[in-house]
Amino acid sequence: DVKVTQSSRYLVKRTGEKVFLECVQDMDHENMFWYRQDPGLGLRLIYFSYDVKMKEKGDIPEGYSVSREKKERFSLILESASTNQTSMYLCASSQGQGGNEKLFFGSGTQLSVL
Amino acid sequence: AQSVTQLGSHVSVSEGALVLLRCNYSSSVPPYLFWYVQYPNQGLQLLLKYTSAATLVKGINGFEAEFKKSETSFHLTKPSAHMSDAAEYFCAVTNQAGTALIFGKGTTLSVSS
Repeated sequence: DVKVTQSSRYLVKRTGEKVFLECVQDMDHENMFWYRQDPGLGLRLIYFSYDVKMKEKGDIPEGYSVSREKKERFSLILESASTNQTSMYLCASSQGQGGNEKLFFGSGTQLSVL
Repeated sequence: AQSVTQLGSHVSVSEGALVLLRCNYSSSVPPYLFWYVQYPNQGLQLLLKYTSAATLVKGINGFEAEFKKSETSFHLTKPSAHMSDAAEYFCAVTNQAGTALIFGKGTTLSVSS
């Protein structure tokens, strides 16, 4: 069965800390995505990547960066965590054209920044 | 710019009743449209997608959606709700570059017995 694995289900960090959220997929997909999910706001795209070492900004990239050194792994980095980055973070992957193909989602990481 | 609007953040139905979740889209190009479902404490999974092959799209678990260009709508329906359908539902449209999905704000479906 296809799988997108996010390293932590719950994470608590302090303001100003550097935070790494890890995502691994086992489907050899080219495209990987990071969304954040907030009540009443739905999912908002932070960054995505269509190839190793390639990245594209989504709708809300401010305060975030990403890294994709290997095809199967896509990391989201909060350079200096702030309380407004408390959220559910969802990783997803897809084959082929990223916008037209089925997305496979991980279970999410609930990040709390105190 | 591409966008979707889901009408109603919360919909409540009785078991066995018709489910109707509304989604309107805005797109400057022929759209690819999707419905995803999120069960409690799980990631999202695809219910169905529209790719212009047919205006009535059938998905998993008895759901279907009809693409209506004149109304810019892609509403999700199910003839008879089941308790297990209680979840959050998201409508989505491909961005203009065709590289990623833009999601709506979601509709929570509650089903009572």
